[in-house]
Amino acid sequence: RKEVEQDPGPFNVPEGATVAFNCTYSNSASQSFFWYRQDCRKEPKLLMSVYSSGNEDGRFTAQLNRASQYISLLIRDSKLSDSATYLCVVNEEYGNKLVFGAGTILRVKS
Amino acid sequence: DVKVTQSSRYLVKRTGEKVFLECVQDMDHENMFWYRQDPGLGLRLIYFSYDVKMKEKGDIPEGYSVSREKKERFSLILESASTNQTSMYLCASSGGLVSYGYTFGSGTRLTVV
Repeated sequence: RKEVEQDPGPFNVPEGATVAFNCTYSNSASQSFFWYRQDCRKEPKLLMSVYSSGNEDGRFTAQLNRASQYISLLIRDSKLSDSATYLCVVNEEYGNKLVFGAGTILRVKS
Repeated sequence: DVKVTQSSRYLVKRTGEKVFLECVQDMDHENMFWYRQDPGLGLRLIYFSYDVKMKEKGDIPEGYSVSREKKERFSLILESASTNQTSMYLCASSGGLVSYGYTFGSGTRLTVV
């Protein structure tokens, strides 16, 4: 079983749509959770950290369910510029290593 | 902002060549990492380092080595390049706490012919 699993997509949505991505992780001891965004042929960039109580940053909302080992990212009012690959990331139990999911592709169309 | 700089954006090398990929960060970060990224496989950790002259194997170290002689610089070495090492190579750094995440360099797209 992969440590971090994501639906690869692609998710094709119209502008203005709400879209949600899910991610599951296998290590129950993980403490740090993130969503990264990666544009085509570019490096991953931190989109947002994910906190136990859930957190929001503008149109983006992240949720964490520790009991189910499940993380989600909700994007409201999708823009063309949101088209990218979204990587779910969790830390390993020990040390400072992060484990990356393979990513979910989002395509927002006009 | 933390800046992580990779020396080359694109590289083409011949099979059997020794290849050096350089990474420099400017924020005095302790931790540095080398990943490769391939379609459908995501990011895979090659090597990492938590301190100067320290290195640890990641998930796919075979065919690679690293060097960290100075805190700001972490080099990835392909001892004898092979075609299956054609990939995007990404360097990342982080401070002492993983809770702040990583900052990545812009990547080196290596083609071995």
